[in-house]
Amino acid sequence: EVQLVQSGAAVKKPGESLKIYCKGSGNNFINYWIAWVRQMPGKGLEWMGMIKPGDSETRYSPSFQGQVTISADKSISTAYLQWSSLKASDTAMYYCARTSANWFDLWGQGTLVTVSS
Amino acid sequence: EIVMTQSPATLSVSPGERATLSCRASQSLSSNLAWYQQKPGQAPRLLIYGASTRATGIPARFSGSGSGTEFTLTVSSLQSEDSAVYYCQQYNDWPLTFGGGTKVEIK
Repeated sequence: EVQLVQSGAAVKKPGESLKIYCKGSGNNFINYWIAWVRQMPGKGLEWMGMIKPGDSETRYSPSFQGQVTISADKSISTAYLQWSSLKASDTAMYYCARTSANWFDLWGQGTLVTVSS
Repeated sequence: EIVMTQSPATLSVSPGERATLSCRASQSLSSNLAWYQQKPGQAPRLLIYGASTRATGIPARFSGSGSGTEFTLTVSSLQSEDSAVYYCQQYNDWPLTFGGGTKVEIK
């Protein structure tokens, strides 16, 4: 069964760095794009950006450009989302999702990031 | 940025009745629209893409229609397990954007 498995919940302090991951199963990981989607507490879905693990081509939403970094390691079928300096407003659930045509047909289980002093 | 507006915010429907959810785009999308279902504590699930094509494994009671700027998701006979928040998403232009969601409650 093809699936995306995300890293576990993280609790961090403001100013700390964090890198979360999304690991895919199956041989076709590099043929898709992997997107990251934010869901703040009680709110809707926001597309942050996406990466094509095969060649690491990336696209960012203007709202998140410069705020996060999306990367991938195709050798281990894993995509990453990282922050260099977290803020309390980064507290949210983060989902990775697979796409080939810009709709999202397979989702990870989500990673809850809590940033609190 | 294309703004997606969903209505109503909340919809209360009796089991077996029809639920009609609307999604409006600030500019034409052609048919580049998807619908997702999200139940509490779960990741979203793809229901519809291309405005009207059901994703794999999605029951036939879910249908999508529309093009341009006006789209509709219809649940023909609501089941208890359909209680969820439904989101539309446009993929006609960058950045990809979602609507604010419609919460469907079972009466």
